[in-house]
Amino acid sequence: DVKVTQSSRYLVKRTGEKVFLECVQDMDHENMFWYRQDPGLGLRLIYFSYDVKMKEKGDIPEGYSVSREKKERFSLILESASTNQTSMYLCASSLGLGTTNEKLFFGSGTQLSVL
Amino acid sequence: QQQVKQSPQSLIVQKGGISIINCAYENTAFDYFPWYQQFPGKGPALLIAIRPDVSEKKEGRFTISFNKSAKQFSLHIMDSQPGDSATYFCAASTPYDKVIFGPGTSLSVIP
Repeated sequence: DVKVTQSSRYLVKRTGEKVFLECVQDMDHENMFWYRQDPGLGLRLIYFSYDVKMKEKGDIPEGYSVSREKKERFSLILESASTNQTSMYLCASSLGLGTTNEKLFFGSGTQLSVL
Repeated sequence: QQQVKQSPQSLIVQKGGISIINCAYENTAFDYFPWYQQFPGKGPALLIAIRPDVSEKKEGRFTISFNKSAKQFSLHIMDSQPGDSATYFCAASTPYDKVIFGPGTSLSVIP
């Protein structure tokens, strides 16, 4: 079974802190994604990566950056956390067959609270 | 045009009943329509998916109905069980663009 592991289940940070959310997948997938989940808004794509050291902006990249130094690891960085970034953050991966029409495998999520 | 609309926002169904969740889209370039199921404390997981060349796909108690001309698709859960209580997301994508998710439907199946 594909496993996507997010380093923290719950995280509490203060406004202005730099926050790192880590994600690791164990199936040699090419594609990795960071989503944000808010009630009534569904899943919104923050950033994604189709290859090591490669990144592309999603729908809501403002206030976030990402890093993918190794194929299996994709990090989401909040440069200066703000209260409106309080949310559930979901990491996902997919095989990467040259299209986006393929199954996404999600981690269990990190519930981030910014106080 | 990239939006996927989903209704209802929440749904309560009695055990053994049929749960129906509806989605609509505008972008005619979408050609892949997955449904994801999310239990509390877990990430979403792919439940079933359809492509627009078929009008229906069935996997066990779960069926997707697809109406290309109306640009609508729906998930039917037959003989709904308490274990089906979860949040359901419809989604759509083109071959080379990101997946667009609907806002989700919270389903509660009561005994």
